[in-house]
Amino acid sequence: DQQVKQNSPSLSVQEGRISILNCDYTNSMFDYFLWYKKYPAEGPTFLISISSIKDKNEDGRFTVFLNKSAKHLSLHIVPSQPGDSAVYFCRYFTNAGKSTFGDGTTLTVKP
Amino acid sequence: DTGVSQDPRHKITKRGQNVTFRCDPISEHNRLYWYRQTLGQGPEFLTYFQNEAQLEKSRLLSDRFSAERPKGSFSTLEIQRTEQGDSAMYLCASSPTYTEAFFGQGTRLTVV
Repeated sequence: DQQVKQNSPSLSVQEGRISILNCDYTNSMFDYFLWYKKYPAEGPTFLISISSIKDKNEDGRFTVFLNKSAKHLSLHIVPSQPGDSAVYFCRYFTNAGKSTFGDGTTLTVKP
Repeated sequence: DTGVSQDPRHKITKRGQNVTFRCDPISEHNRLYWYRQTLGQGPEFLTYFQNEAQLEKSRLLSDRFSAERPKGSFSTLEIQRTEQGDSAMYLCASSPTYTEAFFGQGTRLTVV
């Protein structure tokens, strides 16, 4: 049973528009969610996180929204840039310190 | 210190051979993780060290896999009698806390 699901394997948006990447989870006993970005031939890079006590966290062009009633997390990138093209993973930490990654969403930002 | 480094970046080996990968974490991080990633999936947890102590191992880590972190600094991951199913990207990460992690570029293993 996969605890974290990224249901869209890929997303394509136009430069300057908003990119919305989604993540659904099943276990409510989480402590943190984190988003990572991964370019080909590189390891994942931490992007932004949100704790269970918040419903929004913003860092520059990146905003993460947490809807606990829907068990849904989303990452908004505004405005999207071609350099944002990468695979994005959500990662979930339980309050027992266990973590799970989603399978990733490949974002393509077209110039 | 420029981050987590892994060596080699690529490894091609024949089935049945043993391979060893090395990870040098960020020096002040006492937590070190190994993950495996296959195409189309997120990183899967293999094992975790706090300093030199191996505190957790995934069920994915079969008896053919062993990891060490002898002095609490660099770590090695060895796979014995490699199988084609071991072909994957092996990622190492270090962390100052239990949440945020800094990943290396990975070692891509191909078993032929």
